[in-house]
Amino acid sequence: DAKTTQPPSMDCAEGRAANLPCNHSTISGNEYVYWYRQIHSQGPQYIIHGLKNNETNEMASLIITEDRKSSTLILPHATLRDTAVYYCIVRVAGGTSYGKLTFGQGTILTVHP
Amino acid sequence: DVKVTQSSRYLVKRTGEKVFLECVQDMDHENMFWYRQDPGLGLRLIYFSYDVKMKEKGDIPEGYSVSREKKERFSLILESASTNQTSMYLCASSLLVWSEQFFGPGTRLTVL
Repeated sequence: DAKTTQPPSMDCAEGRAANLPCNHSTISGNEYVYWYRQIHSQGPQYIIHGLKNNETNEMASLIITEDRKSSTLILPHATLRDTAVYYCIVRVAGGTSYGKLTFGQGTILTVHP
Repeated sequence: DVKVTQSSRYLVKRTGEKVFLECVQDMDHENMFWYRQDPGLGLRLIYFSYDVKMKEKGDIPEGYSVSREKKERFSLILESASTNQTSMYLCASSLLVWSEQFFGPGTRLTVL
């Protein structure tokens, strides 16, 4: 799976959009971009994933650049409950790793009142 | 919504005890996973099951075994707990092997 690079920390004001970047310059054509988050002392939570088109669900939007070398997760109206570590992962469908997830260091997002 | 539940949020055991961690999912997922998460080491896969009674070793299976007698339930067993098994244990399930995984709340196990 391709390596990802995320900023170690970001701040956001409550009610504003949080834009979390992720670089994945070595991504392959069959690798998806996934985002998870983990609130302190809880299990990780799936947020969204995409291949090359932008995606939106009830939690967030995912913007993938045309060359697919980077992406941005957008939380449109951040709340205090969005304070968490956000992990960007690239994964290929198939392979021999039995679907295991590997998290990098992630971005600590702190939402301020 | 997918719900994955784990039998305990916090557990304290003594060295040498046999420990059972249970995980139940309610979405009829084929695939279930056990991970442990430690500071600085990230998420590490212990075991994976892709069907009832089927299991595969992950990256760190030593000292652990698993049981999947029913589709919805995946148990992790520490045969003889040791202090280096103190960790956060996370169970997850997914519909397909490579689709998104849904996690339980985790069990923080302390072995004294």
